[in-house]
Amino acid sequence: KAGVTQTPRYLIKTRGQQVTLSCSPISGHRSVSWYQQTPGQGLQFLFEYFSETQRNKGNFPGRFSGRQFSNSRSEMNVSTLELGDSALYLCASSLGDNQETQYFGPGTRLLVL
Amino acid sequence: AQSVTQLGSHVSVSEGALVLLRCNYSSSVPPYLFWYVQYPNQGLQLLLKYTTGATLVKGINGFEAEFKKSETSFHLTKPSAHMSDAAEYFCAVSDRPGGYQKVTFGIGTKLQVIP
Repeated sequence: KAGVTQTPRYLIKTRGQQVTLSCSPISGHRSVSWYQQTPGQGLQFLFEYFSETQRNKGNFPGRFSGRQFSNSRSEMNVSTLELGDSALYLCASSLGDNQETQYFGPGTRLLVL
Repeated sequence: AQSVTQLGSHVSVSEGALVLLRCNYSSSVPPYLFWYVQYPNQGLQLLLKYTTGATLVKGINGFEAEFKKSETSFHLTKPSAHMSDAAEYFCAVSDRPGGYQKVTFGIGTKLQVIP
């Protein structure tokens, strides 16, 4: 099976812009979670989607949003980018049956200038 | 609320020496526990996980971890370090608030292997 794919792998934006990141889960996986990884904060949970519904949400401002499509692919959007949004954004997929094992994509590295 | 503490953000070992990466957790319910490894410019890869049953869990690449409820610990070990083990390691805990899993990661431990 193909693994979790994320596009783009690298992105450079300027403050105030918005960005959309994409994640394609492993075939058959219905849950997609998003994480922000920074050197100082480690992995911070953003949100989880299951069957097109947001099932869990972390403590991030409303500028961070996401959605999931009927084929389980997911996108996350960050509006009004700030310098502090520079990070590696990781997507993880799982079956969604609470078996907990998540499979991670390679991430999208976002740099905000 | 659940939390994970990884003692030591950087650990150095000599090639062939024992690897010990420490993880302590807190959880209001019996936890599921995980260790992930991240190589540079890559995502996280599952090393091993504890759900229920045997408290000594064996994973990939010769790693293992022991769940000790009394100590709320889940330390990762490998008898003999290899150069290819140099990476960042993350401990994670999962509980299920409202029936849905929520995974919390530790801050990570960078393992350096010295030839």
